[in-house]
This record gives sequence, structure tokens and C-alpha cells, in this order.
Amino acid sequence: ETGVTQSPTHLIKTRGQQVTLRCSSQSGHNTVSWYQQALGQGPQFIFQYYREEENGRGNFPPRFSGLQFPNYSSELNVNALELDDSALYLCASSWGGVATNYGYTFGSGTRLTVV
Amino acid sequence: DAKTTQPPSMDCAEGRAANLPCNHSTISGNEYVYWYRQIHSQGPQYIIHGLKNNETNEMASLIITEDRKSSTLILPHATLRDTAVYYCIVSDRGSTLGRLYFGRGTQLTVWP
Repeated sequence: ETGVTQSPTHLIKTRGQQVTLRCSSQSGHNTVSWYQQALGQGPQFIFQYYREEENGRGNFPPRFSGLQFPNYSSELNVNALELDDSALYLCASSWGGVATNYGYTFGSGTRLTVV
Repeated sequence: DAKTTQPPSMDCAEGRAANLPCNHSTISGNEYVYWYRQIHSQGPQYIIHGLKNNETNEMASLIITEDRKSSTLILPHATLRDTAVYYCIVSDRGSTLGRLYFGRGTQLTVWP
């Protein structure tokens, strides 16, 4: 059974550019959540996708958007990058839109640096 | 916003028990207590969760007070690899739709 995989692991972008981050959920999981973790802070919920639809959103502007594909993999897109978007972006998968008995399975994240 | 309060840091000698406290005085009846940990530069890792009874698994034990307003995560024999940030989270498994509210957690340092 594979875990959650995220790509790329590191990325450097220029302010104003757009970025796409990718996540493959754990086998058997149909729900993906995305989190942003700034340095020294806990992860902050961005949104969740369940059955290819957005199923809950945190306090992030519309330039943060996402997709979930029929194979349950997911993308996080961020437009018009700002310096404060520099963070570790984490993807977490689960089954059925709620926490499984083993909680959420997180990937190792994508470290985004905006310069 | 996180509904939990944890000490910012703790340390523990290798081989001893690490007891990490968490206050969640506003927890509601259908909310579980979850513990995750995050080793530097990795994603959070699920440890254990409970509703009202004490729980134990291969990683840790979770002690929840009778009024459910606080809990303690116990690592019975801490090792150097247990050095990490530990997050205590309260979450309704249904209606929060996957939203976990992480605070800043407790940085546990295990020393030799």
C-alpha cells in the first residue's frame, strides 16, 4: 500500500507567477485535503476535495484553487503568487470525507519559495 | 482556530516516559481528541485518537480526563526518534469535512 505522494518536493517561483502542486492519495482513499504550513506554525486548512468536488474551504482567497481527478489524485493551484505564499504545502488523504480510524495520512509536502 | 492549548516545548531523557499535556476545555460531546506529530521537514503523522475512554496502541497511550477537558499523550519509552512537534487536535469526525485545526503544538526534545 503506497502512502501519499506529493510533487515537486521543492519549488522556487517569482512573485506574480502561478504554481501547480500535485498529490496522489493513499490507495483506497477518495478524499484529499490541502494545508499550508508557514515556518514555525501549525498547518492551516486550505480546502478538501471529495468525489471530485470541493467539500469545505478554509480562510484562503479564491486565487487558491484545486481539482480532484477520477483517480482521486489532486492539484492545488495558486495564482498571482505573493511572498507570503512561501510555505510547506501538505496534502492529506482519507476515505469518505471524514477521518478514518487511523486519521488522515499526510504527504511530506512541497516546499514553495516565492521570491 | 485551534481549540487546544499545549506547552510550547518539553524535553525528556531517552528511555523515560514522555507525558505531553493538552487542554481542550471547550470540547463538545461529539468531538474526538487526536494526536499527530511532525518530525522536521516531514508531514504530520497520526499517533492516536480517543473520545472519552483511555486508548493505547503500539505508539502511545492517550489518557482523557473524565470531564474531557484535558488529555495526556504518553510515550512510554521515548527514543531520540521521538523528537518532533506534537499536535493535539479536537475534531468532529463528520461535520468538519476534513478540517483539522492545528495549533503550534509542543516541541518534544528527547536527549540521550
